Amino acid sequence: DSGVTQTPKHLITATGQRVTLRCSPRSGDLSVYWYQQSLDQGLQFLIQYYNGEERAKGNILERFSAQQFPDLHSELNLSSLELGDSALYFCASSIQPDTEAFFGQGTRLTVV
Amino acid sequence: GEDVEQSLFLSVREGDSSVINCTYTDSSSTYLYWYKQEPGAGLQLLTYIFSNMDMKQDQRLTVLLNKKDKHLSLRIADTQTGDSAIYFCAERGQGGATNKLIFGTGTLLAVQP
Repeated sequence: DSGVTQTPKHLITATGQRVTLRCSPRSGDLSVYWYQQSLDQGLQFLIQYYNGEERAKGNILERFSAQQFPDLHSELNLSSLELGDSALYFCASSIQPDTEAFFGQGTRLTVV
Repeated sequence: GEDVEQSLFLSVREGDSSVINCTYTDSSSTYLYWYKQEPGAGLQLLTYIFSNMDMKQDQRLTVLLNKKDKHLSLRIADTQTGDSAIYFCAERGQGGATNKLIFGTGTLLAVQP
């Protein structure tokens, strides 16, 4: 158990809908990352936050947004969902932006 | 550019050593990591190496870094069936916008009993 908690574990939703994925980092970690894992794209970095502020941005679509709250938990919002958004979404956390990152178990999103 | 490459598949017999290779492109990478992903599970951090090191050993795991060739390898001694998983290498840049971890494509390690 890495100490990073993601909810929900599984999510099935229809195209066009909006979902929110939640991540609680390890106790004491200030930085949170979001990754998308799919068969065709592999592990793609989406976005990173540090102490509530956006730190780095990757291949995150405009339909997706994220934030890190004052209690350091983070949410990833996915809207206008398409079939191709079906993937495993991982959250990771680290103490500082440049220290080792620990991953949660992921949320498996299926868009039908 | 950012590109971390790994071979897709490796099959070994139980008890043999496994060597998983990775090449990366960012010469300014400060840390390089190895993660393990078992079926249906998240990524587990196995080990990491700082860019000014050539080698790091941690029990059955040995990481070798050739910075000149931008080549990283993970050797697993006495490979067990429980080591069957996908192994990802990842590089991290120096700072700012390059703090993100860039992952390789992953190598599926199959351990035959």
